[in-house]
Amino acid sequence: NAGVTQTPKFRVLKTGQSMTLLCAQDMNHEYMYWYRQDPGMGLRLIHYSVGEGTTAKGEVPDGYNVSRLKKQNFLLGLESAAPSQTSVYFCASSYSGGHQPQHFGDGTRLSIL
Amino acid sequence: RKEVEQDPGPFNVPEGATVAFNCTYSNSASQSFFWYRQDCRKEPKLLMSVYSSGNEDGRFTAQLNRASQYISLLIRDSKLSDSATYLCVSDTGTASKLTFGTGTRLQVTL
Repeated sequence: NAGVTQTPKFRVLKTGQSMTLLCAQDMNHEYMYWYRQDPGMGLRLIHYSVGEGTTAKGEVPDGYNVSRLKKQNFLLGLESAAPSQTSVYFCASSYSGGHQPQHFGDGTRLSIL
Repeated sequence: RKEVEQDPGPFNVPEGATVAFNCTYSNSASQSFFWYRQDCRKEPKLLMSVYSSGNEDGRFTAQLNRASQYISLLIRDSKLSDSATYLCVSDTGTASKLTFGTGTRLQVTL
């Protein structure tokens, strides 16, 4: 009963390095989302996807790219990491979008030095 | 104005108490509402959906007031394990996204 799985769980990067966060869901959900959560800010939507092959910008997309080549996977990329991207990143999925609840992975804690 | 607003708390209550949280939303087109629970440094987990007629799940009751655009969560007979941050969530009026409040922190004490 995996649900939504995020890898890695923790990562420390140096400024300027790149990395990819992977989100995988086994619930056959159409919609997938990437959020970041910072103290006092709540969850902020970075990018989302309404189906395989689609992506769209959320509230805070700058500095991030995403891809949804397979329905079950949603990748979040940081091309040139900056200290301001230090955060906890959550992936979520839902069956059919805004009228359905979202199910979250357990997060990736990312520190950029 | 934030789309979903919550009192950040913390609400400190003794075990066994009843506690209620309110949340207001600004988008009159919102149709779907949820309460999530988030433990410290963990992922948000769905607590319950909020229906127009209100709904109850054990010690938890959720109510929706469309006229005043607010949602409430009532917790009866509070347990220590209820200590967490409670997130109020609404859809954005579109079919794609949800908006999360910043959360209300509850601390239940002996």
